[in-house]
Amino acid sequence: NAGVTQTPKFQVLKTGQSMTLQCAQDMNHEYMSWYRQDPGMGLRLIHYSVGAGITDQGEVPNGYNVSRSTTEDFPLRLLSAAPSQTSVYFCASSYSGLLAFFGQGTRLTVV
Amino acid sequence: QQQVKQSPQSLIVQKGGISIINCAYENTAFDYFPWYQQFPGKGPALLIAIRPDVSEKKEGRFTISFNKSAKQFSLHIMDSQPGDSATYFCAATVYGQNFVFGPGTRLSVLP
Repeated sequence: NAGVTQTPKFQVLKTGQSMTLQCAQDMNHEYMSWYRQDPGMGLRLIHYSVGAGITDQGEVPNGYNVSRSTTEDFPLRLLSAAPSQTSVYFCASSYSGLLAFFGQGTRLTVV
Repeated sequence: QQQVKQSPQSLIVQKGGISIINCAYENTAFDYFPWYQQFPGKGPALLIAIRPDVSEKKEGRFTISFNKSAKQFSLHIMDSQPGDSATYFCAATVYGQNFVFGPGTRLSVLP
C-alpha cells in the first residue's frame, strides 16, 4: 500500500496563479483533510471531508477550494495564489477517529 | 476554546535523560488526545494517543500523562536518544474530526 500520496512535492507559483494540490489514499478511509504548516503555528486545518460528496471548512479555508468525488482523492485548489499561502501543505486520512496517516507534504512558494 | 497550548517551544536533553512536553486545552468536549512526531522534510507520524477516561498510557519509552481536571496532558520520553530528535505536536479532537494542533516542540537530544 502506498498510504497517502501527495503531488507535487515542491511548487513555485506567481501571485494570482491557480493550481491544484493532489492527494490520494489507498486505504479506503472515509475521513480526509488538508492542513497547512507554518513556523511556530503547528498545523492548521483548511478543509476536511467525511466521505465522498461531503466537504466542510476548517480553521483557515479562505482562498482554498476542495471537492471529494471519490473516496480515494481529495484535491486542494488554490484559486488565486497569494504570498500568504506560502506554506507546507499536508494531506491526511484517518479511520475510527485516529488521524494516523499524513502525506509527505507539498512545499509551496508564492512569489 | 479551540486552542491547544504547548510548551516548551524547544527542548535540549542529554542522551538517556527524560524529555517532557506539556499541553493544555480549554474545550472540555475534546475526547481524543494524540501526539505526533515529525522529522524534517516528512509528514507528522502518530506516536501515541490517549482518551480522557484514563490518566496514563505507556508505549515503550513514550508515556502520556493526562489530568482531566486541570485540562492538561503531557508526553514523557524516557531514556531519550539522539534518534528522538524531532518536532513533537500535541493535538486534540472531538469525535476524530476537526483536529486542533499545538504549535510544536523542537526536541534535540545530545549524544
